[in-house]
Amino acid sequence: DIVMTQSPDSLAVSLGERATINCKSSQSVLNSSNNKNNLAWYQEKPGQPPKLLIYWASTRYSGVPDRFSGSGSGTDFTLTISSLQAEDVAVYYCQQYYSTLSSFGQGTKLEIK
Amino acid sequence: EVHLLESGGGLVQPGGSLRLSCAASGFSFHSYAMNWVRQAPGKGLEWVSGVNGGGTSYYADSVKARFTISRDNSKKTLYLQMNSLRAEDTAVYYCAKGRGWLVETSIDYWGQGTLVTVSS
Repeated sequence: DIVMTQSPDSLAVSLGERATINCKSSQSVLNSSNNKNNLAWYQEKPGQPPKLLIYWASTRYSGVPDRFSGSGSGTDFTLTISSLQAEDVAVYYCQQYYSTLSSFGQGTKLEIK
Repeated sequence: EVHLLESGGGLVQPGGSLRLSCAASGFSFHSYAMNWVRQAPGKGLEWVSGVNGGGTSYYADSVKARFTISRDNSKKTLYLQMNSLRAEDTAVYYCAKGRGWLVETSIDYWGQGTLVTVSS
């Protein structure tokens, strides 16, 4: 099974500053058939189901603000929020869908400093 | 508009059974993989099970041989039969739609979830 590990577990960033969340997979999630990484990022706010932000490691989902971006390949990935807004306070999860047994990271709690 | 509505959650004793349902609307149900993802109180997301558009199913090790996922494309409904329930199965269970036919896909829509509590 593929284990996803996020860092840090929690993060406090000032409004307007950059926030960076890392995700590492225990094995490569690069899909050789299409040369894309089977890695997604989700945002979860209290009392709401998660929302898809990024798929294929770097493709922004419809309606997601362009301050959110994803990068990385193979086993190491990053979610970056370029200029933190108050509404970005949430828990963020990465997910690998390379395996038929999908798995999520443990989550990173993002707060305002 | 895509809607996923879970039902069937509740309180069950350890060792008991429960069947969750997820009524889908707003998309071609038969064309997409579907998943169950759970979240224990105060914890993170855990993928539980997925089924591709053709009905082939997959399970996390933690629920294998106890849970069964199935889909009725004619009713646009996803199910999760949960047997031999344990206290550690207590969680909100989300029905979640994949972006493609295969289970190896990200999730673009989630239901609001249904709470399963396993306790004596």
